[in-house]
Amino acid sequence: NAGVTQTPKFQVLKTGQSMTLQCAQDMNHEYMSWYRQDPGMGLRLIHYSVGAGITDQGEVPNGYNVSRSTTEDFPLRLLSAAPSQTSVYFCASSSVTGNTIYFGEGSWLTVV
Amino acid sequence: EDQVTQSPEALRLQEGESSSLNCSYTVSGLRGLFWYRQDPGKGPEFLFTLYSAGEEKEKERLKATLTKKESFLHITAPKPEDSATYLCAVQEPQKLVFGQGTRLTINP
Repeated sequence: NAGVTQTPKFQVLKTGQSMTLQCAQDMNHEYMSWYRQDPGMGLRLIHYSVGAGITDQGEVPNGYNVSRSTTEDFPLRLLSAAPSQTSVYFCASSSVTGNTIYFGEGSWLTVV
Repeated sequence: EDQVTQSPEALRLQEGESSSLNCSYTVSGLRGLFWYRQDPGKGPEFLFTLYSAGEEKEKERLKATLTKKESFLHITAPKPEDSATYLCAVQEPQKLVFGQGTRLTINP
């Protein structure tokens, strides 16, 4: 029972590099989202999707890009990494009712 | 915008010493209040969702309650394995608004 799977677990990037954080869920959930967690700031929403082909911005979208070509996958792209994007990133998914929202194990990103 | 405040920031208890964690919220209309447990280096693990004042849910040594302005997570006779950060969040359209969390430590 995989649930929400994120890769990679750890990544170090140089300023200006780009990369993609992968997220996959096997629960056939319509809703998927990306949060970042920073000390003293809690978890904040970056982008979300309510279904394949539909995405929208959250609270802190600048510097990130998303797409949703399948129900299962929701990758998060960092276009040109900056030190301010050093954080822990969590992917989440739920059914459209949103009664239970499941999180992945996280991706630790350091930008130097 | 909705706001969520958790207290205390950190709590240290002896094994078997019961206590409660508080989550105060300000929302225009509550759609749902979520409790999560987060262990170091892990993602938030879902515990409960509460929807209306007076609602209670239980899981092992944990019981969550809800009023119109706050939620409590009661922990009864805790064990060291209950040590974790407990997160509270309210549901807005398309997102959760999280509190800062309470870091709970249970000493044997």
